[in-house]
Amino acid sequence: GNSVTQMEGPVTLSEEAFLTINCTYTATGYPSLFWYVQYPGEGLQLLLKATKADDKGSNKGFEATYRKETTSFHLEKGSVQVSDSAVYFCALYGNKLVFGAGTILRVKS
Amino acid sequence: GAGVSQSPSNKVTEKGKDVELRCDPISGHTALYWYRQSLGQGLEFLIYFQGNSAPDKSGLPSDRFSAERTGGSVSTLTIQRTQQEDSAVYLCASSLADSRSDEQFFGPGTRLTVL
Repeated sequence: GNSVTQMEGPVTLSEEAFLTINCTYTATGYPSLFWYVQYPGEGLQLLLKATKADDKGSNKGFEATYRKETTSFHLEKGSVQVSDSAVYFCALYGNKLVFGAGTILRVKS
Repeated sequence: GAGVSQSPSNKVTEKGKDVELRCDPISGHTALYWYRQSLGQGLEFLIYFQGNSAPDKSGLPSDRFSAERTGGSVSTLTIQRTQQEDSAVYLCASSLADSRSDEQFFGPGTRLTVL
């Protein structure tokens, strides 16, 4: 069945550092790919998405590119802020939404 | 408009009791989903409703779990004879339709603790 694997956390960075959170997937067909974020004390919310190969999703300075050849959808941000501290979930949608285990990001000032 | 709401926000119950968790989706959203988020784990799909179609129950972990959606709107997730391993945050989400690109909007969740 479909599955998502993302890097284990927690990831701890200093403010303004470069962020990469790796995500790879296994799926039949051509799923849509998503990154969801859960800020402390808040509900899950969509961060960005890509619906076909080579699409780049972007939002709030975060980017991820749908790479079919490597079945990956790595999340990147050039300069993180303390306010980016949250749990990040990679997900794919084939016939239902399948989530990775989540990666905790902690950004220190 | 209002987002997805869930009640109660917290529920503490004793092992063996039944619990009901409620979800009010965003008005006009035809698709509704239940997930479970256990400590240190990702989100686990439980059940999915789309319009008047038969629900996809493939994620329900046992026959103690059931859900219904009345009038295409409010949904109730029922756990019978709760066990300690049922302790988790139960999340509800809704979307306009079940499509590959529709965003799912999540509620704040119900934290269930089974003693």
